[in-house]
Amino acid sequence: NAGVTQTPKFQVLKTGQSMTLQCAQDMNHEYMSWYRQDPGMGLRLIHYSVGAGITDQGEVPNGYNVSRSTTEDFPLRLLSAAPSQTSVYFCASSFGGNNQPQHFGDGTRLSIL
Amino acid sequence: EDKVVQSPLSLVVHEGDTVTLNCSYEVTNFRSLLWYKQEKKAPTFLFMLTSSGIEKKSGRLSSILDKKELFSILNITATQTGDSAIYLCAVADYGQNFVFGPGTRLSVLP
Repeated sequence: NAGVTQTPKFQVLKTGQSMTLQCAQDMNHEYMSWYRQDPGMGLRLIHYSVGAGITDQGEVPNGYNVSRSTTEDFPLRLLSAAPSQTSVYFCASSFGGNNQPQHFGDGTRLSIL
Repeated sequence: EDKVVQSPLSLVVHEGDTVTLNCSYEVTNFRSLLWYKQEKKAPTFLFMLTSSGIEKKSGRLSSILDKKELFSILNITATQTGDSAIYLCAVADYGQNFVFGPGTRLSVLP
C-alpha cells in the first residue's frame, strides 16, 4: 500500500526560483491538504481540496499555488521561493472531508538559500 | 482567530511513568478534535473525538474531550521509550479547515 507519496524528499532552492512539490495518493480520498511545519509552530494549513477541481486557502496560502485536476494528485507550487518558505512540507489526505483522520506523506524538507 | 494550545510543550519522564498531555482550543464551528503522534516523519493518527465525556482508549493510550471547557487530554500510562515523539492536537471545523497546536515533545528515558 503506497498511501500518500511525496516527492522530492529534500530540495534546496535559490531565492526567486520556482518549483513544484508533488503529492499523490492511491486511496481514492476526496480531501487533500498541504501543511508546512516549522519549529515550535506545529502544522499550518496552506491549501486544501475537497475534490477534483475544487481548492481553497488555508491559514498560510501566500506564495503558494495548488491545483487538483485528478482525485489522486495535489501538487503544491512555489511561485518565487523566499527564505521564509524554508520548512518541512506535508501532504495529507482523507476520505470524506476533514471529519476523518488524515493520512500523511513522509514530508519534503525544503531549504531556500 | 482560531487557536489550539498544547501544554506542556516539552516533557521528560522515565519508563513506567504516567503522563497527561493537554490541548485547549478556541475554534469557531468546532467539528472534531484529533490526536496524532509524530516520530521521525509523518504524523500518525491516534484518536478522533467528537463528543464530550466519552473516553477513547487504545492500549496504554486514552483520550477524552470536554466541549464545555474546550479542552482535551491524552493520557499515556506505563510509558515506554517507544512513546518518545511529538504529540499533536488538531481541531477540525465545519469549514473544512484544520488547526494544529504546536505539539508536545515527549521524551521517555530508560
